[in-house]
Amino acid sequence: DQQVKQNSPSLSVQEGRISILNCDYTNSMFDYFLWYKKYPAEGPTFLISISSIKDKNEDGRFTVFLNKSAKHLSLHIVPSQPGDSAVYFCAALGPSNTGKLIFGQGTTLQVKP
Amino acid sequence: NAGVTQTPKFQVLKTGQSMTLQCAQDMNHEYMSWYRQDPGMGLRLIHYSVGAGITDQGEVPNGYNVSRSTTEDFPLRLLSAAPSQTSVYFCASKTRAGSYNEQFFGPGTRLTVL
Repeated sequence: DQQVKQNSPSLSVQEGRISILNCDYTNSMFDYFLWYKKYPAEGPTFLISISSIKDKNEDGRFTVFLNKSAKHLSLHIVPSQPGDSAVYFCAALGPSNTGKLIFGQGTTLQVKP
Repeated sequence: NAGVTQTPKFQVLKTGQSMTLQCAQDMNHEYMSWYRQDPGMGLRLIHYSVGAGITDQGEVPNGYNVSRSTTEDFPLRLLSAAPSQTSVYFCASKTRAGSYNEQFFGPGTRLTVL
């Protein structure tokens, strides 16, 4: 049972345009969400996070939006750059009694020059 | 700081063989964990440790053993490898009380079991 889902395996956008990566979750007890970025042959690296008490968090070109009623979050990258081409994982922090990160399947973003 | 290091980078095993994936960190992090990444599945937690001498199971622990005798090292053992364990394995670490924003991953070990 996939508690965190990224339903788009891949996304292709033109350089300079907006990239929107989506993530859905099923457990309303999740209270913290993170996005990780992963290049080939490297481990994931932290990108941006959001607490469930907020609905938006921004860091430079990256903004994460959280819609708790829809159990949906999205990562916006504006403007997209070729160096953003990577796999993006959404992750949720499990219920407080486990403290374990639960990851989505990942979305491969390709930004074309 | 070397961060989180993993050895080997690649490994091919035959079914039934055993091996140990090594993970080390030099940041004095108490919390260490092992994930496996499979196509279409994302990263799944295998085992984790909150300090030397303390380990616990994650989401997919079957077929794997861990121990934590030092703060720096957190090896993952496959006692009898199976083709279903073909995957990319990532080790990660952070301070025990630290945020997952500050969790660092190693570069991964790509394991193939024939």
